[in-house]
Amino acid sequence: SQQGEEDPQALSIQEGENATMNCSYKTSINNLQWYRQNSGRGLVHLILIRSNEREKHSGRLRVTLDTSKKSSSLLITASRAADTASYFCATRGQGAQKLVFGQGTRLTINP
Amino acid sequence: DTAVSQTPKYLVTQMGNDKSIKCEQNLGHDTMYWYKQDSKKFLKIMFSYNNKELIINETVPNRFSPKSPDKAHLNLHINSLELGDSAVYFCASSQGQGLTNEKLFFGSGTQLSVL
Repeated sequence: SQQGEEDPQALSIQEGENATMNCSYKTSINNLQWYRQNSGRGLVHLILIRSNEREKHSGRLRVTLDTSKKSSSLLITASRAADTASYFCATRGQGAQKLVFGQGTRLTINP
Repeated sequence: DTAVSQTPKYLVTQMGNDKSIKCEQNLGHDTMYWYKQDSKKFLKIMFSYNNKELIINETVPNRFSPKSPDKAHLNLHINSLELGDSAVYFCASSQGQGLTNEKLFFGSGTQLSVL
């Protein structure tokens, strides 16, 4: 299966610290996406990185992709209480129509 | 002016009942999806429609039947509800057919509890 797996499953840090979440997947991909889910809400798209890209930035977010290791990481710098949420990686395989999600990392930012 | 809206937000029902969840998107997108999120937060695709045509049909019991009257609407009807159907069901949409570098826009979810 192409399913991504996030690591760690849960992460708790102090406000202002950086948070790093990792995602591993199994098959060749077209792109990898990160989404955020606040409690009781739907998923919100954060960033997309294509298979030929190695790093992307968006505000306080930095995503890396290593296709040789089939892994990606999401770094949130200078975390805020509002960053408390679950973060999911999702992969789209080569020529595939569906986006496959992992189980997510539950991030808690303590004030 | 919600982009992807689904109703109801909460649905509590007895085993054996039939229920429907409705979804509408006002983004002008061509493709709509149903995802199921279980208690462990694992999100799995169920169905996808592109311009009213079914393009993804995962291994889902026949009790689940999607219906897309037009490209802005995708409803999910569930017959003979079972305890294991309890989950959060998310509707989503994307601009094209989902083959390119597209992102999904999600509704806020319908929490289904089967008693």
